[in-house]
Amino acid sequence: DAKTTQPPSMDCAEGRAANLPCNHSTISGNEYVYWYRQIHSQGPQYIIHGLKNNETNEMASLIITEDRKSSTLILPHATLRDTAVYYCIVRYRYNTDKLIFGTGTRLQVFP
Amino acid sequence: DTEVTQTPKHLVMGMTNKKSLKCEQHMGHRAMYWYKQKAKKPPELMFVYSYEKLSINESVPSRFSPECPNSSLLNLHLHALQPEDSALYLCASSQALRGNTDTQYFGPGTRLTVL
Repeated sequence: DAKTTQPPSMDCAEGRAANLPCNHSTISGNEYVYWYRQIHSQGPQYIIHGLKNNETNEMASLIITEDRKSSTLILPHATLRDTAVYYCIVRYRYNTDKLIFGTGTRLQVFP
Repeated sequence: DTEVTQTPKHLVMGMTNKKSLKCEQHMGHRAMYWYKQKAKKPPELMFVYSYEKLSINESVPSRFSPECPNSSLLNLHLHALQPEDSALYLCASSQALRGNTDTQYFGPGTRLTVL
């Protein structure tokens, strides 16, 4: 699975959009981009995943660049409850075993 | 419903104790996972069960013994642990979609302290 690079920390004002970047320059055509988040001392929560098209669900939007070397997770209206560590994970589409978590981005949403 | 439950939420045990962690899911998932997470570190895989058979053991010491009694249940038996085994133990499950992408869903974890 390809390696990802994320900033260690970011701040966001409550009510504003939080844009979390992820670089995955060695991604292959058969690798998905997954996003999970982990609120303090809880289990990781699945957010969204995509292959090459942009994706949106009730939690977030995922924007993948055309060359697929980077992506951005967008929380459109951040709340204090969105404060968490966000993990970007690249995973081979036919892989049914482990998720390899990087160090993630610690997002702090402030009032 | 994407709920994975884990019991107990917290566990304190001595180095000579035997205890078990339990994980349950009722989503019809056929793959279940144990991850270990040390403080301020990302989760790391320990074991994978696929269709009730152990498919991956990430070189975990034998003092950790997994068991999958049926497709909904996953246990982790603990014996003669060391203080450095203190961590958050996370269970996850997925559909085990062969030939397609497969999303894992995590439980809340068991916080284990070994004295």
